[in-house]
Amino acid sequence: DTEVTQTPKHLVMGMTNKKSLKCEQHMGHRAMYWYKQKAKKPPELMFVYSYEKLSINESVPSRFSPECPNSSLLNLHLHALQPEDSALYLCATRTGEYTEAFFGQGTRLTVV
Amino acid sequence: TQLLEQSPQFLSIQEGENLTVYCNSSSVFSSLQWYRQEPGEGPVLLVTVVTGGEVKKLKRLTFQFGDARKDSSLHITAAQPGDTGLYLCAGAGGGSNYKLTFGKGTLLTVNP
Repeated sequence: DTEVTQTPKHLVMGMTNKKSLKCEQHMGHRAMYWYKQKAKKPPELMFVYSYEKLSINESVPSRFSPECPNSSLLNLHLHALQPEDSALYLCATRTGEYTEAFFGQGTRLTVV
Repeated sequence: TQLLEQSPQFLSIQEGENLTVYCNSSSVFSSLQWYRQEPGEGPVLLVTVVTGGEVKKLKRLTFQFGDARKDSSLHITAAQPGDTGLYLCAGAGGGSNYKLTFGKGTLLTVNP
């Protein structure tokens, strides 16, 4: 199983809503990532978890809150987002620091 | 801060033409990866290069890693419309644990 599964695929939320994005992997990869991507731009790193502990936070606003309940799951909790937060949110996993990343299909988020 | 300069950012060519995309940095990376991404999907790994001077071929795609492990190129021979997409280079292990540094991407359009 080499899949990274993200749900939902599409999400529309209001600026006062609370929602969560989910990411699941069963490859035993120890590093899990959240990226944000705008159209025709490269992915921007948001958070990195290694061994279920937050190791990198790229100065992301607190309205984005990551959580890693176990080695297979990664969540991104969203609250009081702004329209400019609309983007494709990608989850990725890696076996280690020097290896390639496996990406999920992403969640297309629209904030209205 | 590690940077990967990727060029060109946009490329529109006719079917059958050849093209080269470049990825350059002042940092040394332990490995460099190339991904291809289609709209609304996550990036998919094409190749990982690890050894300085390494050349890898994947059908009509040829990847090179510079001797000093600071730069890489992707050459596509006889491009086809199915090659259309966003091509991303990414460097790993350049001194920042678990960070995967992405170039700005090359948006390739191959016209029939």
